[in-house]
Amino acid sequence: DSGVTQTPKHLITATGQRVTLRCSPRSGDLSVYWYQQSLDQGLQFLIQYYNGEERAKGNILERFSAQQFPDLHSELNLSSLELGDSALYFCASSVSGGIEEQYFGPGTRLTVT
Amino acid sequence: LAKTTQPISMDSYEGQEVNITCSHNNIATNDYITWYQQFPSQGPRFIIQGYKTKVTNEVASLFIPADRKSSTLSLPRVSLSDTAVYYCLEVPGGGADGLTFGKGTHLIIQP
Repeated sequence: DSGVTQTPKHLITATGQRVTLRCSPRSGDLSVYWYQQSLDQGLQFLIQYYNGEERAKGNILERFSAQQFPDLHSELNLSSLELGDSALYFCASSVSGGIEEQYFGPGTRLTVT
Repeated sequence: LAKTTQPISMDSYEGQEVNITCSHNNIATNDYITWYQQFPSQGPRFIIQGYKTKVTNEVASLFIPADRKSSTLSLPRVSLSDTAVYYCLEVPGGGADGLTFGKGTHLIIQP
């Protein structure tokens, strides 16, 4: 158990809908990362937050957005969902958002039908 | 676009030492080389990290030559439970900009 929690574990929704994925980092970690993993694209970095502020952006689509709240939990919002958005979404956390190891949560499996 | 190059898959047997090599042809000066392990339907788990020369911990060793153009993850005496995907990545010193996991190496350990 990494100490990072993600909810929900599974999510099934229809195309065009909007969903919110939630992540709680390890106690004491200030940085949160979001990743998308699909069979054809591998593990893709989406976005990083540090202490409430966006720190780095990866391959995040404009239909996706994220935020980190004052209690340090984070939410990833996915809108206008497409079949291709079906994937495992992982959240990770680290102490300060630098080179130190990231602790990954168990993931949320999103299925868009 | 992946910044690193590593074999798609490798096979070995229980009790053997396994070495997985990764190419870092365009690594930046302030990047650290990091390896993660991932089991199916689980999040990746940190294995080891280094900048130059050799690093060893309780599960693996990491060899990085002076030019830092490659790295080799060494797993001593593997077991069936080491069957997993192994990712090498270049972690920027100041944040996650440019962080890329790539497709990883699927290591299969046979009895």
